[in-house]
Amino acid sequence: DGGITQSPKYLFRKEGQNVTLSCEQNLNHDAMYWYRQDPGQGLRLIYYSQIVNDFQKGDIAEGYSVSREKKESFPLTVTSAQKNPTAFYLCASGTTAGGYTFGSGTRLTVV
Amino acid sequence: KNQVEQSPQSLIILEGKNCTLQCNYTVSPFSNLRWYKQDTGRGPVSLTIMTFSENTKSNGRYTATLDADTKQSSLHITASQLSDSASYICVVSAGSGGYNKLIFGAGTRLAVHP
Repeated sequence: DGGITQSPKYLFRKEGQNVTLSCEQNLNHDAMYWYRQDPGQGLRLIYYSQIVNDFQKGDIAEGYSVSREKKESFPLTVTSAQKNPTAFYLCASGTTAGGYTFGSGTRLTVV
Repeated sequence: KNQVEQSPQSLIILEGKNCTLQCNYTVSPFSNLRWYKQDTGRGPVSLTIMTFSENTKSNGRYTATLDADTKQSSLHITASQLSDSASYICVVSAGSGGYNKLIFGAGTRLAVHP
């Protein structure tokens, strides 16, 4: 079955640590996205990529980094520069026609 | 400024009852409007997507409406079930080609009680 997979489901980070969230899709979608979701707020765009080896900053890119070496994969690194990283992170992939599929999310907690 | 506002913020209804969720937007240029259902701790799942020329679209017990003149949309849920308990998110796509930016509402949290 085609789909988009995020891992891990839960992640704990110590202060000053970098962590990487995985996102893999087998939908053959060109575009992939990372969003952050906080309670009571709409999803906010962190980074997006419309093609392999290219990505763009979203609205809240500071403290995050991404790579897009393969069409299927778009990992997100939460760096120590991100001051408030505790949140629910959602990855999505889409087509130019507007189809959009979300992963099941990763909940990151700073301990 | 592109914005999507949803109301109410939260809603409690009894099983079997109907309800309507509202979405107002100020997004330009408008491309399409989507409603998503998000269960707690899961990713959003698409319910409907409507373009400028569509004013009603149904998906089972879910019916979405769009009034492009007043920039309002609603999601009507008929004969609610316990499994309808979730957050419902209105998303408007802004753009006219190439990369379309999605503007997300904060969602309406629906609780269906027996």
